[in-house]
Amino acid sequence: SQQGEEDPQALSIQEGENATMNCSYKTSINNLQWYRQNSGRGLVHLILIRSNEREKHSGRLRVTLDTSKKSSSLLITASRAADTASYFCATDGSGGGNKLTFGTGTQLKVEL
Amino acid sequence: DTAVSQTPKYLVTQMGNDKSIKCEQNLGHDTMYWYKQDSKKFLKIMFSYNNKELIINETVPNRFSPKSPDKAHLNLHINSLELGDSAVYFCASSHHGTADRAGYTFGSGTRLTVV
Repeated sequence: SQQGEEDPQALSIQEGENATMNCSYKTSINNLQWYRQNSGRGLVHLILIRSNEREKHSGRLRVTLDTSKKSSSLLITASRAADTASYFCATDGSGGGNKLTFGTGTQLKVEL
Repeated sequence: DTAVSQTPKYLVTQMGNDKSIKCEQNLGHDTMYWYKQDSKKFLKIMFSYNNKELIINETVPNRFSPKSPDKAHLNLHINSLELGDSAVYFCASSHHGTADRAGYTFGSGTRLTVV
């Protein structure tokens, strides 16, 4: 069954605004990762947060993780038109096997 | 140089045919994967190989057979193609284990259309 549910399914903002995407999952994890997928392309790894971490930053990206609520959020600050893409969370379960289970994705559109 | 390359990029074929998709990575990773992305962008793992050994085999029809001749290559052969096999198939690779912060590296995908 699908591990992650993302919210919202689609998000449209103006350039310069912040974009927040949320991810909820069901089972315990080793880490949670966020990926970006541009239309017609493969997925690109953005950031990884371990289960014992609460917040990570990378450039304009900020990720939080709340293992008690089994949820994570991805914040993109000062968005640009080039950020337009689908964003997926993925969980690496504590059951082992190095298997990433992907969420349903959030489609972000940044308008000029 | 492309880190994870898969061929072909597009594949259009008739029902009942047999086809193969090839994948190669030059990152020195020891684990490779096949994922299927459907029309709703839902990504589901199919197979995973670590050093040529099958470690993940999800509930996939046995018409799908992966083959890993060495740890840099993972091919996917599909027999008796069906309409429902139409999807984008992604190859990916990673270092095994959870300590690596680089995550997976994905290929650009193979769009398979069965007519």
